Amino acid sequence: QVVLSQSPSASASLGASVKLTCTLTSDHSSNVIAWHQQQPGKGPRFLMTVDNDGSHIRGDGIADRFSGSSSGAERFLTIAGLQSEDEADYYCQTWATGTRVFGGGTKLTVL
Amino acid sequence: QITLKESGPTWVKPTETLTLTCTVSGFSVNGGGEAVGWFRQPPGKALEWLAVVYWDDDKRYNASLETRLTVATDISKNRVVLTMTDMDPVDTGTYYCGRTAGHVDHWGQGSLVTVSS
Repeated sequence: QVVLSQSPSASASLGASVKLTCTLTSDHSSNVIAWHQQQPGKGPRFLMTVDNDGSHIRGDGIADRFSGSSSGAERFLTIAGLQSEDEADYYCQTWATGTRVFGGGTKLTVL
Repeated sequence: QITLKESGPTWVKPTETLTLTCTVSGFSVNGGGEAVGWFRQPPGKALEWLAVVYWDDDKRYNASLETRLTVATDISKNRVVLTMTDMDPVDTGTYYCGRTAGHVDHWGQGSLVTVSS
């Protein structure tokens, strides 16, 4: 069973960049993952998929200051030029036939 | 434009059965390659996957909840129905449906369900 690990919290200053990490269990290190954003009081929004070669595909309307990358079993979400509305919970998600798995989420605070 | 919308009761009593409906537009629930999933989120906690139904009516469930869950498609109304039996206060949370052939690429707005006597 694949497990996704995320740090519970992260913080960065307004206008700066931040890199969030999602770590796959080693036997699933080639999995594609998805990143989702959940702003306070709202439902999740799909941001992008990130493949094991670091390629990423953004969802409709997602700004290009959101980007993805990869290294081994780690998948990253980088947000450049942080804005106040980026303060949110960020979840990674992966899948296999018949199952969907989420990480525990990272709460991003914009200082 | 793809949209999904959950509907159902906002409150159920312990031991009762919850029935939620996900009405979709912009794609067909029985269209080749499509799948609709159900997810939930207890207050202040992470997202959890519950079930998924594929275009060919293949259905899969979260193993820890499988005995309580049923998912079904209503092709005529282009919607997916989730039933969850024997509800408990720990099942309180927001329930979401989403289009999910693999990743979830479109989410519903969510339906808050409170379980209380």
